[in-house]
Amino acid sequence: GAVVSQHPSWVICKSGTSVKIECRSLDFQATTMFWYRQFPKQSLMLMATSNEGSKATYEQGVEKDKFLINHASLTLSTLTVTSAHPEDSSFYICSARDWDRGLSQETQYFGPGTRLLVL
Amino acid sequence: SQKIEQNSEALNIQEGKTATLTCNYTNYSPAYLQWYRQDPGRGPVFLLLIRENEKEKRKERLKVTFDTTLKQSLFHITASQPADSATYLCALLGARQLTFGSGTQLTVLP
Repeated sequence: GAVVSQHPSWVICKSGTSVKIECRSLDFQATTMFWYRQFPKQSLMLMATSNEGSKATYEQGVEKDKFLINHASLTLSTLTVTSAHPEDSSFYICSARDWDRGLSQETQYFGPGTRLLVL
Repeated sequence: SQKIEQNSEALNIQEGKTATLTCNYTNYSPAYLQWYRQDPGRGPVFLLLIRENEKEKRKERLKVTFDTTLKQSLFHITASQPADSATYLCALLGARQLTFGSGTQLTVLP
């Protein structure tokens, strides 16, 4: 299947600083990428849909000025957590869809996640 | 409102037995349903997709059923192994996004 990578895999930062997380589709192009957040023992919650060359679409309750998304190319989307606070500590996962020939279906693939800890 | 429920937060079974996980949904009319595996500290890994017109789908030791009348999918792992221990998530594609259930943490005891 298709591969999605994320960098860094974990980051610790001080409160008030900004953190950038990169998401790359390694062997396919993705006009759309998705950013999820997962708190311990909870499921993945979609934060925003990142669209190449245009503005991201944010889910209700997600502050677009706090979580800046840039989808500069067909293989790279970045999520910047601005002025991070301890409550932003979470597991951030990106995802992209690719056509699976075997399934004759678009399948959604996920990155390995980025663990953010804000002190 | 739309809901996806996985009835067991945690399931422990003995090695070699069949694990059965349940996913129920309300207020969806999904064209297909997906199952993912998630290990601690990792992103979900796609396992199986079953379409609304399919009753059953198999892949090696995995079997998924899909009953659109009951609005339920069952996920089976036969001849379970300790390496199958993980959290399993069902997911439905809504209008434009993939929505996940809360997951079932499966532990296969040796």
